[in-house]
Amino acid sequence: SAVISQKPSRDICQRGTSLTIQCQVDSQVTMMFWYRQQPGQSLTLIATANQGSEATYESGFVIDKFPISRPNLTFSTLTVSNMSPEDSSIYLCSVVNGGAENEKLFFGSGTQLSVL
Amino acid sequence: AQSVAQPEDQVNVAEGNPLTVKCTYSVSGNPYLFWYVQYPNRGLQFLLKYITGDNLVKGSYGFEAEFNKSQTSFHLKKPSALVSDSALYFCAVSDTGRRALTFGSGTRLQVQP
Repeated sequence: SAVISQKPSRDICQRGTSLTIQCQVDSQVTMMFWYRQQPGQSLTLIATANQGSEATYESGFVIDKFPISRPNLTFSTLTVSNMSPEDSSIYLCSVVNGGAENEKLFFGSGTQLSVL
Repeated sequence: AQSVAQPEDQVNVAEGNPLTVKCTYSVSGNPYLFWYVQYPNRGLQFLLKYITGDNLVKGSYGFEAEFNKSQTSFHLKKPSALVSDSALYFCAVSDTGRRALTFGSGTRLQVQP
């Protein structure tokens, strides 16, 4: 299994500011992802964090709004830039771990963001 | 493109009765199928997955799911529900090799004592 530490666990931010969320994994993992869960809704993939190269963003998400860093195989950050109330969501880091038949997608506990 | 449908927003069942949470999927290749559970104020927890092999997959906490290729379904089941099973359940799918998951809208399971 993989233990994922995500910080902060929650924050309340002002409109127009930016927040950087950190995701630390206790082992080296090849693939890391960032998801968003808006209030009362399902999870939506924001991007795949690629080690040593630019993140791969899903449709509707752009690098200027959600810049992602992945400096090594155990750490990634997601920044929510120029926030508006519509960005209020839970942001979750996830990783793929385990080999072959044991491969699973693990999730951090999430960052609950409220934008005023 | 891949997609997942969970047709029921909520499922209500009495404790001790069997439960089923429905899921259908659409992918272009061979599907990897997953069920996750989310308890209040907690992250997602993995329940079970299907990649290949037996159509009936057994997972955590007594849950199981049946893969039906002809109906493109992956319904979650449990023979005897517990009040503690009350939570939000997500079905998810990825196609071969992609790893990133597409989630369904979620089904809230309410087990009444």
